[in-house]
Amino acid sequence: SQTIHQWPATLVQPVGSPLSLECTVEGTSNPNLYWYRQAAGRGLQLLFYSVGIGQISSEVPQNLSASRPQDRQFILSSKKLLLSDSGFYLCAWSFGSGNNSPLHFGNGTRLTVT
Amino acid sequence: GENVEQHPSTLSVQEGDSAVIKCTYSDSASNYFPWYKQELGKRPQLIIDIRSNVGEKKDQRIAVTLNKTAKHFSLHITETQPEDSAVYFCAAPRLQETSGSRLTFGEGTQLTVNP
Repeated sequence: SQTIHQWPATLVQPVGSPLSLECTVEGTSNPNLYWYRQAAGRGLQLLFYSVGIGQISSEVPQNLSASRPQDRQFILSSKKLLLSDSGFYLCAWSFGSGNNSPLHFGNGTRLTVT
Repeated sequence: GENVEQHPSTLSVQEGDSAVIKCTYSDSASNYFPWYKQELGKRPQLIIDIRSNVGEKKDQRIAVTLNKTAKHFSLHITETQPEDSAVYFCAAPRLQETSGSRLTFGEGTQLTVNP
């Protein structure tokens, strides 16, 4: 069976500091990978998605970037955090072949920028 | 792209009553409609999904109905229990995808089941 790991679970960072959130998937090959952000407990906003190693698509212009150095590893980064980057960040995966594949979310990282 | 609208934003019911949450979508070619449940502080989890070749799907107390002509789909929860209290999200795919399932989510419905 497939599992998704995301860490850390919580993070408090000062404004202007860097960020690195990591997500790994086990039990499947060539998954599609996603980063979502959720503010105020509602609304899932897609930030990035990837259909393969080194292939990253950005949904919205922002202070964040993503990388996929390995098939089942997805990293969300920032060089300098803003207050507005606070939120609940969720990594997710789906099967890479075809459509109609549900998303499976990690446990999320609650980021507070102070 | 796909636009998904979800109603109501909040819903309060008495234990044992039914709850219905509705979503509309804009892309008539959409063919897959999942529903997610998110408990406070936790990740969204898939509870049921439906594909466009069927009009209704049931799983115990949960059912989803799909009306492709009207471009809306609904989540029905019967005999609600306090543990059903959560935020529920509907979603529909973006069909410019050549693979994968980029989903557009509704804004969510906060369901509260009062004992």
